Amino acid sequence: AQSVAQPEDQVNVAEGNPLTVKCTYSVSGNPYLFWYVQYPNRGLQFLLKYITGDNLVKGSYGFEAEFNKSQTSFHLKKPSALVSDSALYFCAVLSGGYNKLIFGAGTRLAVHP
Amino acid sequence: EAGVTQFPSHSVIEKGQTVTLRCDPISGHDNLYWYRRVMGKEIKFLLHFVKESKQDESGMPNNRFLAERTGGTYSTLKVQPAELEDSGVYFCASSPDPGTEAFFGQGTRLTVV
Repeated sequence: AQSVAQPEDQVNVAEGNPLTVKCTYSVSGNPYLFWYVQYPNRGLQFLLKYITGDNLVKGSYGFEAEFNKSQTSFHLKKPSALVSDSALYFCAVLSGGYNKLIFGAGTRLAVHP
Repeated sequence: EAGVTQFPSHSVIEKGQTVTLRCDPISGHDNLYWYRRVMGKEIKFLLHFVKESKQDESGMPNNRFLAERTGGTYSTLKVQPAELEDSGVYFCASSPDPGTEAFFGQGTRLTVV
């Protein structure tokens, strides 16, 4: 069965420090992977995706993610966190039929001044 | 370009009542999806329209839920009669093609009391 795991309910980081939000997946075949962010009182916003090619994917707001096939991971990273990055982050994988996203439970990122 | 819009943003109804949620996708997007996030858990797929046709409704929880997309434009999701466990945030998303990133609306927060 296809699934996504986000092992951390919450990640706390000081402003200016690097941040990592973890995601692992289980899917048959080649994965199409996504990160979405939900700011307070807003909808889900697309951050970045991995389909094929370079394992390091760059996205919006300075975020990037590294696809690691051997570890079945797609961790979200940013070199220097901002307070405004505080939000709920969701990792997702496209299903085998390529018609629906399978989401993780979400990780709340709190960046402290 | 207008994004995906959902109405209402919040709805509080009593158990046994009927509620209808509406989603207006991005113009020209043939693919429309409904998702739901219940009690802070993962976001789960409900169904997928291609134009006016239901392509996949495997995520619909039971026959109290009815989705329509007449004319292949906006979509409605009706819950009748509503139960307490239906409370959650209902997201709508659209995309030009399956397999590409989906654009999400801000969600409708449904509370059944």
